[in-house]
Amino acid sequence: GAGVSQSPRYKVAKRGQDVALRCDPISGHVSLFWYQQALGQGPEFLTYFQNEAQLDKSGLPSDRFFAERPEGSVSTLKIQRTQQEDSAVYLCASSITGTSGNTIYFGEGSWLTVV
Amino acid sequence: KNQVEQSPQSLIILEGKNCTLQCNYTVSPFSNLRWYKQDTGRGPVSLTIMTFSENTKSNGRYTATLDADTKQSSLHITASQLSDSASYICVVSPWGSGGYNKLIFGAGTRLAVHP
Repeated sequence: GAGVSQSPRYKVAKRGQDVALRCDPISGHVSLFWYQQALGQGPEFLTYFQNEAQLDKSGLPSDRFFAERPEGSVSTLKIQRTQQEDSAVYLCASSITGTSGNTIYFGEGSWLTVV
Repeated sequence: KNQVEQSPQSLIILEGKNCTLQCNYTVSPFSNLRWYKQDTGRGPVSLTIMTFSENTKSNGRYTATLDADTKQSSLHITASQLSDSASYICVVSPWGSGGYNKLIFGAGTRLAVHP
């Protein structure tokens, strides 16, 4: 695709509900990242994929958060038993390779509100 | 303590004026420093990328400078336009294996350009 596509754009979940956020990276991009952005703050790293391999998941805040990229393209970020503190924008980003200095392209984000 | 600090937190300028945004970082060593523009409700868009050995990088009316000795960067916007109203985020990539992917974001400077 022309850019990184994320869905849904907006999601309201009741506390305790499971949610799944989808990311379609730019076609051919090897690297895929997930970031969490709280209101008024800069994004914070969650996890990183190189193709289908999840090389770094150190930023996932708890074991309720799970990400996958089974075929090395589309990725899903799943949050189980959502809590109010999970309310944030979840940004997906991709880059063509893992080489340092490459431009990293961000999607529009999925806005999650937990009520 | 935030590893990437930006100032001012917010700024209002008149259309056509210039402005300079500041970024101080403690991430060391680092691989590269980036500036992103983020419109409200949108994902960040890359403006400039500088390696630790570069001093300046321009992109149209945007010019970024880097002083690795003092660990400071600035983003200068020339002849501002209404469309420049956005948050400007300074981002540092730590050096090291896989370090490029753990982008460390500042909280951003929110710029408002008024007619």
